Amino acid sequence: GESVGLHLPTLSVQEGDNSIINCAYSNSASDYFIWYKQESGKGPQFIIDIRSNMDKRQGQRVTVLLNKTVKHLSLQIAATQPGDSAVYFCAEWSTRAQKLVFGQGTRLTINP
Amino acid sequence: NAGVTQTPKFRILKIGQSMTLQCAQDMNHNYMYWYRQDPGMGLKLIYYSVGAGITDKGEVPNGYNVSRSTTEDFPLRLELAAPSQTSVYFCASRTNEKLFFGSGTQLSVL
Repeated sequence: GESVGLHLPTLSVQEGDNSIINCAYSNSASDYFIWYKQESGKGPQFIIDIRSNMDKRQGQRVTVLLNKTVKHLSLQIAATQPGDSAVYFCAEWSTRAQKLVFGQGTRLTINP
Repeated sequence: NAGVTQTPKFRILKIGQSMTLQCAQDMNHNYMYWYRQDPGMGLKLIYYSVGAGITDKGEVPNGYNVSRSTTEDFPLRLELAAPSQTSVYFCASRTNEKLFFGSGTQLSVL
């Protein structure tokens, strides 16, 4: 079946440091992956996405890496800021089912 | 555009009561979704719709019903509320593969 999981439920980093959030997936047929950020009391917000024919994609301060060999996805946030504190979810898009499958989430805390 | 709008933001129900969670989007998206999120967990799909008049079950549909009479609206109905339905409910609409979420409805069933 389809499943997307995360290695760590919590992550704390110092403000200004870089952070890496990891995600494992099991469906090798998935062709699209998305990272969402969810702040307290709000709905998930799209951060960055990557298609399975790519291994890296960069946005503003964020980079997503995809390793299809080991079915691993990561989100790198550079020069973290207090506003980066949130729960981050990876999600796997199932073209067949036309739906997203979410992982459990990692809570990122930025320490001053 | 307001995006995806959910009402109410908070609600407390007694066991056995019924209610409808409202969801509206003004982006003319065909696809709409209802998810629930339990504390510390990811989102689980309840129901989805690929267009007006068409709905389908997701992973956890039991205890819920939906309708899609217009492109804009996708209400979620709880007929006999149970404590297991205490959760935060998110509605979303989609363009291509990107989902846009509402701000959620926090529901407690006591």
